[in-house]
Amino acid sequence: NAGVTQTPKFQVLKTGQSMTLQCAQDMNHEYMSWYRQDPGMGLRLIHYSVGAGITDQGEVPNGYNVSRSTTEDFPLRLLSAAPSQTSVYFCASSNPSTGGVDGYTFGSGTRLTVV
Amino acid sequence: GENVEQHPSTLSVQEGDSAVIKCTYSDSASNYFPWYKQELGKRPQLIIDIRSNVGEKKDQRIAVTLNKTAKHFSLHITETQPEDSAVYFCARKGSYIPTFGRGTSLIVHP
Repeated sequence: NAGVTQTPKFQVLKTGQSMTLQCAQDMNHEYMSWYRQDPGMGLRLIHYSVGAGITDQGEVPNGYNVSRSTTEDFPLRLLSAAPSQTSVYFCASSNPSTGGVDGYTFGSGTRLTVV
Repeated sequence: GENVEQHPSTLSVQEGDSAVIKCTYSDSASNYFPWYKQELGKRPQLIIDIRSNVGEKKDQRIAVTLNKTAKHFSLHITETQPEDSAVYFCARKGSYIPTFGRGTSLIVHP
């Protein structure tokens, strides 16, 4: 198992450009999420999905779109990049166990800089 | 709501000392409390977790305690070593998705 794979690892965008951050998992996990990590702010939830075809907003969704057409993939789209979106982005996945709890597995992250 | 408060934001200890990080939550539906360690430039990794029907869990030098009544939980690291230096995140989870504290930067001085 590769676990959670994120691409690219690094990206520089100009203000106003759009791009898609890719996330794929091969563990057949139902739950997938996107977080952004900024200094002193911890991990803030952008969007999440509890299964194919189902997505919902997290704490900081503005400027981002997601879709979940398959169980494996959960891409994050930046519609019109802004300098405030400069951050490290993590994708994570988990499965609801019998008890309804399970730890999250994180991807290796994408470091995005918007100039 | 589903916020998690984590303290302290920075913790500096001497090698061999103990370190304690505390988190509080407000959502009574929270039933799962994982802790993550993130080394510089790397992804967060799960180091220990506890469910709401357990008060304490230990794994070698790390332990987690949970007080459901007071809605707080803590990470305890004993006999700290320089390789314990990292950012630690607590989290809580109810139905689906965990929410995280802001992190504690632990520095262990040799």
